[in-house]
Order: sequence, then C-alpha cells, then structure tokens
Amino acid sequence: GESVGLHLPTLSVQEGDNSIINCAYSNSASDYFIWYKQESGKGPQFIIDIRSNMDKRQGQRVTVLLNKTVKHLSLQIAATQPGDSAVYFCAETNTGGSYIPTFGRGTSLIVHP
Amino acid sequence: NAGVTQTPKFRVLKTGQSMTLLCAQDMNHEYMYWYRQDPGMGLRLIHYSVGEGTTAKGEVPDGYNVSRLKKQNFLLGLESAAPSQTSVYFCASSYGDRLYEQYFGPGTRLTVT
Repeated sequence: GESVGLHLPTLSVQEGDNSIINCAYSNSASDYFIWYKQESGKGPQFIIDIRSNMDKRQGQRVTVLLNKTVKHLSLQIAATQPGDSAVYFCAETNTGGSYIPTFGRGTSLIVHP
Repeated sequence: NAGVTQTPKFRVLKTGQSMTLLCAQDMNHEYMYWYRQDPGMGLRLIHYSVGEGTTAKGEVPDGYNVSRLKKQNFLLGLESAAPSQTSVYFCASSYGDRLYEQYFGPGTRLTVT
C-alpha cells in the first residue's frame, strides 16, 4: 500500500508468481483510479484505469480491483516477469474537481529470477 | 513519434541561478503538465496548461513559472533556484477528455547547490 515517509513499501516476488499491489484512497468522490509503472530512470507509464462505477477491469496480464466500501484499489499482475520490476503508483481523479490525477507515493516491485 | 521529450536531461545550478526546462510533445495533446518527484515520494503537480496560451497552478507552484506559447511546447522556469528545488522534473501531456492517461517524458534531474 501507500507509505508515509521516505521509504517505499516493497513487494518481492519470484518470477512466474502473481503479484498484488495495494493502494488505499480517501476521497469518496474520486471518479477514476489509475495505475502507472515507473521503471528506474524513466518517466511513469500508464498501465490501466478503472472508473468508480466498476469493480474489476482486466488488461493484458493485469487486473485492477476496486472496493469502494473500504476504499481500496489493487493491481494484480499475472505470471510476473523480471521486466515488471518497477515502482507502481496508484492515482485518483476528481479530487477537488479538476480531473487531474493525484498520485500516491508508490510501491516498489522486485522480481527475482 | 517521439512522444514527450525534455531538455536537458541533467543540470546542476548554484543557488540563485535561473534556468528553463523545455518540454515538447508531438501527439497534439491539449493538456500539458509539470511535476516534480522527490525520493520516496509520488509525483507532485507544479503547473499545468489546458491549451496554448493558458496556464494554471498545481499543488506546489511556488518558485516556478511556466509558459505555453505553442501547443506542443511547455516551458518551466526557475527564476532563482534554491536547494529545495533539487528534484527530478517530469513533463507530461494528455488529451482533454482523458486527463488521467498521461504520457510522460524521461525527466530532468536538477541539482541546486
């Protein structure tokens, strides 16, 4: 999940395992929830989004789950590969009504071969 | 398509010096953004633009100015650099109807001594 302070939460997995990255949010009025991936030394890259009227959305090897009751978002990566090693950010929109996403602090995913 | 490009990639400034970071996008996006990213932190929005000739303040605008004279370019200026502005700066762009799907540049690492 999201961290307070300078140290990112870290998730270590073995290659081939499934990964689940979690995110908690606080704004009940958020409209879209988004996941970004940032590889070392690069800019963030959009992965997938989910609208607040959905509870599940699938992409290529990724699934995002939204639980509005407990304000929880997760990103599931199937058959994790070394190339999935990165920092993953969740973001939400409609905070204050601007629709520009507000980013969380990120979770570091380390995939061991 | 080059996507989003940023110039320079690295820069070292002394306190009080000024500089301009350049961002260009070739996707005809209406919206452009400047973020800063500090260690262990998510992305924080500095300024953004909804179109040519318009700019608006984000979460952390103090000490920065921006200009968008052409649709494809978004400039970030530091008039009098301070050590607190040491950071990695990312430019991003998006379509107006999908603000949450942003395309990021590779970043500029700025150190102020």
